Amino acid sequence: GAGVSQTPSNKVTEKGKYVELRCDPISGHTALYWYRQSLGQGPEFLIYFQGTGAADDSGLPNDRFFAVRPEGSVSTLKIQRTERGDSAVYLCASSLRSSMPDTQYFGPGTRLTVL
Amino acid sequence: GENVEQHPSTLSVQEGDSAVIKCTYSDSASNYFPWYKQELGKRPQLIIDIRSNVGEKKDQRIAVTLNKTAKHFSLHITETQPEDSAVYFCAASRLQAGTALIFGKGTTLSVSS
Repeated sequence: GAGVSQTPSNKVTEKGKYVELRCDPISGHTALYWYRQSLGQGPEFLIYFQGTGAADDSGLPNDRFFAVRPEGSVSTLKIQRTERGDSAVYLCASSLRSSMPDTQYFGPGTRLTVL
Repeated sequence: GENVEQHPSTLSVQEGDSAVIKCTYSDSASNYFPWYKQELGKRPQLIIDIRSNVGEKKDQRIAVTLNKTAKHFSLHITETQPEDSAVYFCAASRLQAGTALIFGKGTTLSVSS
């Protein structure tokens, strides 16, 4: 079946602009995670959704970052007033949440470049 | 919170040799340790994982060992092939749904033929 998909694959924006990054999880996966991966680093957790609600947003760096998942499927990560330090690959992952271990399957990521 | 250290950051081997990547973790409550392989420009893909009630797990040329007392775990790749070249990430978390993975910084493995 189809894996996790993310759009756009690349996004270039100017400092101060607003961006939205989209994630389509694997069908039937109720858990959805956002991670951020800077160059030469491992993915860093941002936020976790169980269904429509954000169950853990402890990884969001500040209030410029926000994410929604209104229907419990597609999720959008929103970044306001972008800064050059926001440049990274934003990865989305989903999991079934009914199995142990709860394997997370990653999307290809969106590479965000803030000029 | 959990902290995962990974070594080495780069590893170069000849085709056919073995490769070993080591990770340590800090949170004794962590009990799930997956390994992901990420090729250049691609998504991370799970290659093997281990739970804390098991000391070793093997899948063909790949094996993972876990030492809970010392809080470290290792990835072993035998008979390396050029297609094994990639960045490998270890991670730690608790074995329950909804727990974030805490990743190491990655190891760039280069296998030359």
